[in-house]
Amino acid sequence: DTGVSQDPRHKITKRGQNVTFRCDPISEHNRLYWYRQTLGQGPEFLTYFQNEAQLEKSRLLSDRFSAERPKGSFSTLEIQRTEQGDSAMYLCASSRATNQPQHFGDGTRLSIL
Amino acid sequence: ILNVEQSPQSLHVQEGDSTNFTCSFPSSNFYALHWYRWETAKSPEALFVMTLNGDEKKKGRISATLNTKEGYSYLYIKGSQPEDSATYLCAPFYNTDKLIFGTGTRLQVFP
Repeated sequence: DTGVSQDPRHKITKRGQNVTFRCDPISEHNRLYWYRQTLGQGPEFLTYFQNEAQLEKSRLLSDRFSAERPKGSFSTLEIQRTEQGDSAMYLCASSRATNQPQHFGDGTRLSIL
Repeated sequence: ILNVEQSPQSLHVQEGDSTNFTCSFPSSNFYALHWYRWETAKSPEALFVMTLNGDEKKKGRISATLNTKEGYSYLYIKGSQPEDSATYLCAPFYNTDKLIFGTGTRLQVFP
């Protein structure tokens, strides 16, 4: 169990640029979640995969956001035409099953200049 | 919109004090409650997953209780230590298959 890893840890970019984050879940976990956390708030659900299928997507996730999980292993979260309001910590988590604890990565902190 | 409330928002205690936090959540379609501890510069760590009304779980000096009928859970820390300093997050799980996190209780334990 090597844990959930996220890359990069930090990303600073100018407004209007595209960014992509990667998450590698624990290998035997078929569920993968993306969350966004801003200062003073708890993590907010963005989207969820079971294997390669994206089963739910929050209405927080505008058309500029897209997530994929090809082959049901790692996942990527892309934000196009970034805006200042996208500045946040983006967390990825994985779990074995619905009622099992979620294991989180260290997150990617995005700062939009 | 499901509203999950945690209180207090922050807490400062002396080493050795016992403390408790509250998590309130809508009880309709409830499936499970997760508790996580989030230390600064680390990733959230799962403490408990609780499903049954009256459930009580313990991990070392930390314990939690659950009331699904009225929609609340308590987290207790006995004899707080500086290493317990963290944000404690609760997250109920409904039949929508996703966690809804509260804003957390920030605990600071002073030596």
